[in-house]
Amino acid sequence: KAGVTQTPRYLIKTRGQQVTLSCSPISGHRSVSWYQQTPGQGLQFLFEYFSETQRNKGNFPGRFSGRQFSNSRSEMNVSTLELGDSALYLCASSLGGGRDTQYFGPGTRLTVL
Amino acid sequence: AQSVTQLGSHVSVSEGALVLLRCNYSSSVPPYLFWYVQYPNQGLQLLLKYTTGATLVKGINGFEAEFKKSETSFHLTKPSAHMSDAAEYFCAVSVSGGYQKVTFGTGTKLQVIP
Repeated sequence: KAGVTQTPRYLIKTRGQQVTLSCSPISGHRSVSWYQQTPGQGLQFLFEYFSETQRNKGNFPGRFSGRQFSNSRSEMNVSTLELGDSALYLCASSLGGGRDTQYFGPGTRLTVL
Repeated sequence: AQSVTQLGSHVSVSEGALVLLRCNYSSSVPPYLFWYVQYPNQGLQLLLKYTTGATLVKGINGFEAEFKKSETSFHLTKPSAHMSDAAEYFCAVSVSGGYQKVTFGTGTKLQVIP
């Protein structure tokens, strides 16, 4: 089976812009979770989608949003970018979420100038 | 609420020495516990996972971890470090029942000295 893919791998944006990141889960996986990874904060949970519904949400401002399509592919959007949004954004898929093993993509490195 | 604490953001060991990475968790209900590894410029990969049953869990690449409920710990060990073990290791917890999110620790970077 193909692994989790994320596009693009690298992005450079300026403050105030918006960005959309994409994640394609492993075939058959219905849960997709998004994480923000920074050197100081480690992995911070953004949200989880299961069957097109947001099931869990972390403590991020409303500028961070996501969605999941019927084929389980997921996108996350960050509007009005701030310098502090520079991070590695990781997507993980699993069969059902929660205690199921998560399989991570390579991440999208976002740099905000 | 669930949480996990990893003691030591950086650990250095000599090649061939014992690897011990510490993880303590907090959970009001029986936890599911995970160790993930992240190599440079890659996503995370599952090393091992504790759900129920045997408290000593064996994972890939010679790693193992022991679930100790009385100590609320899930330390990761490997008898003999290899240069290829240099990476960042994350402990994570998820509670059993329902579809709770997974909470990750802040990670421990392992350096292996030749």
